[in-house]
Amino acid sequence: DGGITQSPKYLFRKEGQNVTLSCEQNLNHDAMYWYRQDPGQGLRLIYYSQIVNDFQKGDIAEGYSVSREKKESFPLTVTSAQKNPTAFYLCASSGQRSAEDGNTIYFGEGSWLTVV
Amino acid sequence: SQQGEEDPQALSIQEGENATMNCSYKTSINNLQWYRQNSGRGLVHLILIRSNEREKHSGRLRVTLDTSKKSSSLLITASRAADTASYFCAPKNSGGSNYKLTFGKGTLLTVNP
Repeated sequence: DGGITQSPKYLFRKEGQNVTLSCEQNLNHDAMYWYRQDPGQGLRLIYYSQIVNDFQKGDIAEGYSVSREKKESFPLTVTSAQKNPTAFYLCASSGQRSAEDGNTIYFGEGSWLTVV
Repeated sequence: SQQGEEDPQALSIQEGENATMNCSYKTSINNLQWYRQNSGRGLVHLILIRSNEREKHSGRLRVTLDTSKKSSSLLITASRAADTASYFCAPKNSGGSNYKLTFGKGTLLTVNP
């Protein structure tokens, strides 16, 4: 089945550690995104990539890094510089804009990151 | 990109009742999308309405768009317990990035059996 796979579902990070969240899509989408969601809050955009080997900062990029070496993969690293990383992280993708699609975004099931 | 603002923040109804939630935005749009998020899950696309459309239906969902008031509403008819979720709107700007969408805090809908 086509979709977006995030792993792991649950991750614990010790203070000072970097951790990487995986995101893979088999939808052949050009664009991929990372969002952060805090409990009871909306989504905030961390990074997005419109094409392989290119990415842009979103609204809250500090303390995060990404790479886009392959079309289907967009891993997110939460670095030790991110002081409050405990949150729910959502990866998403979208295809070429079309009259019918209108830039619909497809989401993965999310990853919970907790600092211990 | 711009962020939609959903209202109310929370809504609690009985099964079988209709649920209406609203979305306001600030600048002209190309289209507006509604998404649903079940607790602890990813968002799922529900429906898209284009700027030249005023109303759209999909099953028990009805979306309206008033570009003069810069607002949209999502109506869920004959609600079910399974409709319990958060609902988000995402307005897509007329210009700017073809890809980026941002999301507000959503409306948390609780449907009581």
